[in-house]
Order: sequence, then structure tokens, then C-alpha cells
Amino acid sequence: DAKTTQPPSMDCAEGRAANLPCNHSTISGNEYVYWYRQIHSQGPQYIIHGLKNNETNEMASLIITEDRKSSTLILPHATLRDTAVYYCIVDYGQNFVFGPGTRLSVLP
Amino acid sequence: DAGVIQSPRHEVTEMGQEVTLRCKPISGHDYLFWYRQTMMRGLELLIYFNNNVPIDDSGMPEDRFSAKMPNASFSTLKIQPSEPRDSAVYFCASSGPGDSYEQYFGPGTRLTVT
Repeated sequence: DAKTTQPPSMDCAEGRAANLPCNHSTISGNEYVYWYRQIHSQGPQYIIHGLKNNETNEMASLIITEDRKSSTLILPHATLRDTAVYYCIVDYGQNFVFGPGTRLSVLP
Repeated sequence: DAGVIQSPRHEVTEMGQEVTLRCKPISGHDYLFWYRQTMMRGLELLIYFNNNVPIDDSGMPEDRFSAKMPNASFSTLKIQPSEPRDSAVYFCASSGPGDSYEQYFGPGTRLTVT
């Protein structure tokens, strides 16, 4: 079973920031938080990952709470092409368990 | 690099037939993963290899499923005999070298068993 809980769906206006939450209250000390997304009919795509500190790359920012029990993925300026299912995964290795994710719809 | 290559992209077969799905990982990657995606069960990890050796096959649904990786550039997932409930999209992914946390997914094979 997935170790994370995400809202099933969210909407975001084009050009605005999309903030996708994830709860992982049972995370252990050596487990990373990963985010992937899946655009319709394609294979999942890696976005970002982190352990304790906040992380930023060209796609997104990852904010992890101090107690590490939750995190937020931020897409700073969402575009229509960011419409996808976003998966939050917690694991220490590569044996990923994908939950149902959050279906993000970016609206024009 | 061309990315992870999967073939065929679509497969339609009759119940009871043998199905073989193929995957070529990204050159230099030493991890290879097979996933299955259905509407009911979502995305499930079936098996993964490290340096051509199966590490965890606990996700393989039953003995009808088998996977091999004879060399670093090729893997197969075989279903024999196939059943309608095996209908799904099967993804192959690779990562590496070493403990790289970014898995690169192929385009998937859509399998339909009638």
C-alpha cells in the first residue's frame, strides 16, 4: 500500500502557482519524498525529490515540513501542459509504490 | 539517447496465447523495472532488476508471468497463458548508474487480451 495521501483532484488557473499537498505521516528517517507526474497515456515523468531540505529545480519546488510528515509540490507558473496526474511517493530505495495521485487540471 | 524503448506499442491477443513484451533500457542504466497500470489497480511495480539480476519480484501476480534480463540492454516480460484480466498498459523503466532516484519510463505497451 502507498504510504502517502493526496487529494484526488485539484484545479489551477493558468499562470498561477499550483500547490499540491501530500501527507506521509509514517515516513521514516531514511525515506525520501519523490514526485512524479503522468500526462495522459504517457509513462510517468520524474519531477523532484528530497529528504529533509526544501528543493528546487527547473520544473518545481518541493517544500518538506520540519517533522517530514507532509510536503508540498509547487509549480510556480502552471501551464496547460502541466495538466496531469501527480504522484507523491515515499521510499528509501527504488521499490516505488504509486498511489492514485492527484489529478491536476490547469484551466485557461 | 533515444530513451527507454518498448515493443510492441500495442498488442491484441486471444486468451490462452503467449505474450512477450520487450524493453531496451537507457544505455548505462543498471536498474530496470516493469510496471503494470490498470484503471482498477493503478500503477503497480511487478519486478525490478539490478545489473541483470532480479532483485524483487514480489509484485509479479502469478506464475503465468515471468521476466528475464539476459543482458544489460534487453529485458522481456512474458505472460503464458494470457487471460483477459491481464489487459493493461505495461511500462518499462530504467535508472542509474547506481542509486539514482530518477526512473525513466518508456512509452508503454497497451495489451488487450480478448
